[in-house]
Amino acid sequence: KQEVTQIPAALSVPEGENLVLNCSFTDSAIYNLQWFRQDPGKGLTSLLLIQSSQREQTSGRLNASLDKSSGRSTLYIAASQPGDSATYLCAVRNRETSGSRLTFGEGTQLTVNP
Amino acid sequence: KAGVTQTPRYLIKTRGQQVTLSCSPISGHRSVSWYQQTPGQGLQFLFEYFSETQRNKGNFPGRFSGRQFSNSRSEMNVSTLELGDSALYLCASNEEAWDTQYFGPGTRLTVL
Repeated sequence: KQEVTQIPAALSVPEGENLVLNCSFTDSAIYNLQWFRQDPGKGLTSLLLIQSSQREQTSGRLNASLDKSSGRSTLYIAASQPGDSATYLCAVRNRETSGSRLTFGEGTQLTVNP
Repeated sequence: KAGVTQTPRYLIKTRGQQVTLSCSPISGHRSVSWYQQTPGQGLQFLFEYFSETQRNKGNFPGRFSGRQFSNSRSEMNVSTLELGDSALYLCASNEEAWDTQYFGPGTRLTVL
């Protein structure tokens, strides 16, 4: 059974700092991995999708990497801003599962202080 | 394109009642997935529908059911509500299984 873990559970940083969020998964037979952000009481916003054949994806100040063999992904946020404050979730789609089913981590709650 | 929409946004029910939630996917998306989010259990997969057929099912009791219509809109139903069903119910859609999943704003269900 796939398990996804995110460390740390919470992170508080001053504005302008570069930071890394970590995601690990137990079963490396994944199809892809997706990073989301969630604002309090809201739905999920997709940030980046990395297919299993890819090593990284970039969007603006965000860069996500994937090391499938070690079961790890990182989300790098450059020059953090107060507007980046949210919960960040990673989710994997397993190869053994047909369809779109995602297994989520518990998330990292990020606070960027002005 | 319009995003994923969910109705209603908020619901308050009492134990024993039943509830139906609705999800309209992004135009052209044939897959709709449902998730339950609670503080204790995080995000858990309920089920997925693709072209009106259930393609995947999570580990939830039979009180949770769903369906998909020919226009890809989906509904989920929870019968005999329990206090523990209080949660944010999220719906997501995508074109194909390997694509990005796009989530709606969720329906906040409170069971009293």
